[in-house]
Amino acid sequence: GAGVSQSPSNKVTEKGKDVELRCDPISGHTALYWYRQRLGQGLEFLIYFQGNSAPDKSGLPSDRFSAERTGESVSTLTIQRTQQEDSAVYLCASGRQQETQYFGPGTRLLVL
Amino acid sequence: KNEVEQSPQNLTAQEGEFITINCSYSVGISALHWLQQHPGGGIVSLFMLSSGKKKHGRLIATINIQEKHSSLHITASHPRDSAVYICAGIKAAGNKLTFGGGTRVLVKP
Repeated sequence: GAGVSQSPSNKVTEKGKDVELRCDPISGHTALYWYRQRLGQGLEFLIYFQGNSAPDKSGLPSDRFSAERTGESVSTLTIQRTQQEDSAVYLCASGRQQETQYFGPGTRLLVL
Repeated sequence: KNEVEQSPQNLTAQEGEFITINCSYSVGISALHWLQQHPGGGIVSLFMLSSGKKKHGRLIATINIQEKHSSLHITASHPRDSAVYICAGIKAAGNKLTFGGGTRVLVKP
């Protein structure tokens, strides 16, 4: 069966541009998470979706970051007016509530 | 103080040796994930546990709720076990993960 997929796998953008990252979770997984890992650093939580509940946005670093998810399907993470410090690997994970999370391969974002 | 603390930060072992990685966590964390991140960056969830012990192949994870401590053991280590192992806590309120700093394991042949 298919795992979590993310696109693009790599993205290079110029400072100030907007970027959109996509996550396709495993079918049937009600929970979807976005994390970020900057070079040489640990993982950081960004946002969590659970079914139709209001998302937990407590990890979003600024109002330039937003994410959407329609129902239990695809999610998009949007970064507006990108800055160099936004360069990182953005990881998506999905799972069933209170169960193991399955990680996607990540999107490597480089802001020049 | 971080909510999830791991030790050691780095560990080098000879092939075949027994490896232990430790994780301490704070109040409010109800369960732990152990994750493996290979040099290419991909992350695999090894275990999720809230009590007792779990075993999968040569990997064993234990958790002591009273002491708020978990360990990941690798028996008969192999060079392909070389990776970063990350302990992540799940808060009782909500499911987001709080990550430890990771333990970089190198197993030499």
